[in-house]
Amino acid sequence: EAQVTQNPRYLITVTGKKLTVTCSQNMNHEYMSWYRQDPGLGLRQIYYSMNVEVTDKGDVPEGYKVSRKEKRNFPLILESPSPNQTSLYFCASSRLSVGSATDQPQHFGDGTRLSIL
Amino acid sequence: AQKVTQAQTEISVVEKEDVTLDCVYETRDTTYYLFWYKQPPSGELVFLIRRNSFDEQNEISGRYSWNFQKSTSSFNFTITASQVVDSAVYFCALSVPGTASKLTFGTGTRLQVTL
Repeated sequence: EAQVTQNPRYLITVTGKKLTVTCSQNMNHEYMSWYRQDPGLGLRQIYYSMNVEVTDKGDVPEGYKVSRKEKRNFPLILESPSPNQTSLYFCASSRLSVGSATDQPQHFGDGTRLSIL
Repeated sequence: AQKVTQAQTEISVVEKEDVTLDCVYETRDTTYYLFWYKQPPSGELVFLIRRNSFDEQNEISGRYSWNFQKSTSSFNFTITASQVVDSAVYFCALSVPGTASKLTFGTGTRLQVTL
């Protein structure tokens, strides 16, 4: 089954304790991205990756890191989490067509709800 | 910059009523792509439809239909004969070339369908 898998689904942690949210896709998609969802703001892009070893910032990258060492995996790292990073996080992937994924529907994981106290 | 506005924060209807969710977008690009996603109470995001800017044909899929009007920059979504299972948050999103495929989302419309 084609899917994007995020782990963990839920996490409660404390300020400053490094954490990693994993994301893996089995569709051989080149493009992967992270979004956060906050009430009244919709979803906003944090980071994206067009291919292995190619990553770049989205609209709200502060406080986050990513890596893309393998095509299927795109972990989101919070080195020193703070309460304002409490949010619902989504990983997404899509194909690239003619060098762009603009027209491709992005497939989303089930989300990770992070609470940082 | 791109912007998507979903002015309806929350809509409540009784089952079997028709309901339209509004989406208004802003972009200076002539090529762009519009999407609708559904987020049921379980939280995942489900892709519903994609429409490119060169295709203004309306689309119908079962009880769902979409009306794309470039003249009013709108991409509205209608559910006919709504059902309780349609209860969800619905997001409209926009993507344009040159933005590394970023989806610009609206703030979502929560639809509550009751018996």
